[in-house]
Amino acid sequence: EVIMTQSPATLSVSPGEGATLSCRASQRVGNYLAWYQHRPGQAPRLLIYDASSRAAGIPARFIGSGSETDFSLTITSLQSEDVAVYYCQQYLKWPPKLGQGTRVEIK
Amino acid sequence: QVQLVQSGSELKKPGASVKVSCKASGYTFTSHAINWVRQAPGQGLEWMGWINTNTGEPTYVQGFTGRFVFSLDASVTTAYLQITSLKAEDSAVYYCARDFPRHFVSDYWGQGTLVTVSS
Repeated sequence: EVIMTQSPATLSVSPGEGATLSCRASQRVGNYLAWYQHRPGQAPRLLIYDASSRAAGIPARFIGSGSETDFSLTITSLQSEDVAVYYCQQYLKWPPKLGQGTRVEIK
Repeated sequence: QVQLVQSGSELKKPGASVKVSCKASGYTFTSHAINWVRQAPGQGLEWMGWINTNTGEPTYVQGFTGRFVFSLDASVTTAYLQITSLKAEDSAVYYCARDFPRHFVSDYWGQGTLVTVSS
């Protein structure tokens, strides 16, 4: 089973500043990596798949990068609506596994 | 537009069963699998498994075998999650999601169904 480890657990960022979230896989997963945004009280939302491809309708300020075991999600110019928990998920190996999440707050 | 609409919150006693529905619309139901994800209170998202909407064959992640059953009725474009012999630790929000654009990636999600198990 692939273990996904996200860091930091919580990130406090001032509005307009950038935020970088990290995700590490315990095994190589190529670029089979997705990122989801989960706002309080809402359904999760797919942001990124294939490590760097933005899903339909996702703003350009969300940028995914990385491969194999080390991945990042960068949010350039944080907006208030970006307050959420962000999860990475590998989908190369069974079972698909999500990380424990990074909470992004406004400072 | 693509929508997945889940049934409402449930309050059940330990040992009872619950069936959560997930009504899909806005796309060809049999063209995409349905994934199921759980979020226990204060915890992160946890992948439970998926169901092939063409064959009806379910696949479960370890830890969700036995008491958890995925099923579907393609004639009404609806997927179901049934949980039997409910335990307090089954209390969680359960989400269904459409499998796209890659297998095991979920692009559209239901709003979630809160299942509370309490005596």
